[in-house]
Amino acid sequence: LAKTTQPISMDSYEGQEVNITCSHNNIATNDYITWYQQFPSQGPRFIIQGYKTKVTNEVASLFIPADRKSSTLSLPRVSLSDTAVYYCLVGDTYTGGFKTIFGAGTRLFVKA
Amino acid sequence: KAGVTQTPRYLIKTRGQQVTLSCSPISGHRSVSWYQQTPGQGLQFLFEYFSETQRNKGNFPGRFSGRQFSNSRSEMNVSTLELGDSALYLCASSAWGQDTYEQYFGPGTRLTVT
Repeated sequence: LAKTTQPISMDSYEGQEVNITCSHNNIATNDYITWYQQFPSQGPRFIIQGYKTKVTNEVASLFIPADRKSSTLSLPRVSLSDTAVYYCLVGDTYTGGFKTIFGAGTRLFVKA
Repeated sequence: KAGVTQTPRYLIKTRGQQVTLSCSPISGHRSVSWYQQTPGQGLQFLFEYFSETQRNKGNFPGRFSGRQFSNSRSEMNVSTLELGDSALYLCASSAWGQDTYEQYFGPGTRLTVT
């Protein structure tokens, strides 16, 4: 299972775009990249998932370069409510089910 | 559609006791995973069940076990509790294989071992 490395914490201001980069040098061919958001005392919430290039949904964008050794979660115009821990996961859930490895995550703090 | 529910939400047990936690997945979801979250170790994968079979397992001792019923509801059991088992236990369900691989997490069960 590919290990991921993310910044431990990031600070931002309301209205700014936030980019969180995750490194996964040992990603395997069948692995997908998934991002979750977690608020204190709650379970993580799925944000976005991708395999290559760019994926966008109503919440975020995920940029994956051609070598797939890293990925960047982009949150447009963050608000105070985006203060949370963001986890990057890499794994093959398309064949063998879930054996999800969560890293330490990135603690994002959005200031007014 | 109702979300993932976990019972109980809070539990206090004594060292050496055993505990059973319950998880009801989203209707139609056949995959149920369990995670342990502690401040020191973060979120750690315990095991995953799919159609009543354990499909994946994390690196936890045999004191941690689980099962899944025919209605996809799942239970996990921890025997001979240790102080280090104090944690938030999270359950996640997924439709897996039905064009979606998202996991939906429940609110968790906060277990305190004294």
